[in-house]
Amino acid sequence: AQKITQTQPGMFVQEKEAVTLDCTYDTSDQSYGLFWYKQPSSGEMIFLIYQGSYDEQNATEGRYSLNFQKARKSANLVISASQLGDSAMYFCAMRDGNNNAGNMLTFGGGTRLMVKP
Amino acid sequence: GAVVSQHPSRVICKSGTSVKIECRSLDFQATTMFWYRQFPKKSLMLMATSNEGSKATYEQGVEKDKFLINHASLTLSTLTVTSAHPEDSSFYICSAREGTRRETQYFGPGTRLLVL
Repeated sequence: AQKITQTQPGMFVQEKEAVTLDCTYDTSDQSYGLFWYKQPSSGEMIFLIYQGSYDEQNATEGRYSLNFQKARKSANLVISASQLGDSAMYFCAMRDGNNNAGNMLTFGGGTRLMVKP
Repeated sequence: GAVVSQHPSRVICKSGTSVKIECRSLDFQATTMFWYRQFPKKSLMLMATSNEGSKATYEQGVEKDKFLINHASLTLSTLTVTSAHPEDSSFYICSAREGTRRETQYFGPGTRLLVL
């Protein structure tokens, strides 16, 4: 069974500072993918970054980077130079690489990030 | 990036009526679409996986006769909430996976359903 844990229900960060959102996962699969999505108050889900279990380099996308520590089964999201528009819910998710149902995602409980001016 | 649309964005209906929600991939072909439900301040819960031309695969606890899913083409999947009740009120989000890009799902903007 898969499990995604986000231990921080809410976080504050000062504008222009960096922030790390935690995510740990549990899987027995060797092949899997990890995702981070942003959900603003409007409700849409915005894809931020992806890390494959076999990727040796940590994924980066602009101000977003994923601190992938495979042995610890953690995939923390780092947002550098926070902006007011970063205030939103952030979800960590995992794809089961061997799933025959089409790569469904399992989501963590989410972290609400609030950026202070 | 790929675009997924949902229609309607909001719907209010009376108890006992049926509501259809459409999910469309606008600029790619989606071999697989997923339907999620999200309660206020909660995470997304997968309801079902829909593959084009075949029956949907429902998650445990999701009533397939209650939530009818049709994936008739590579760009359209529909979710019909039949005989809706107030407890069906929720935020429903679809996502679509492009056939060639296994690692990414693109989400629709969601549909807020309120059943009175």
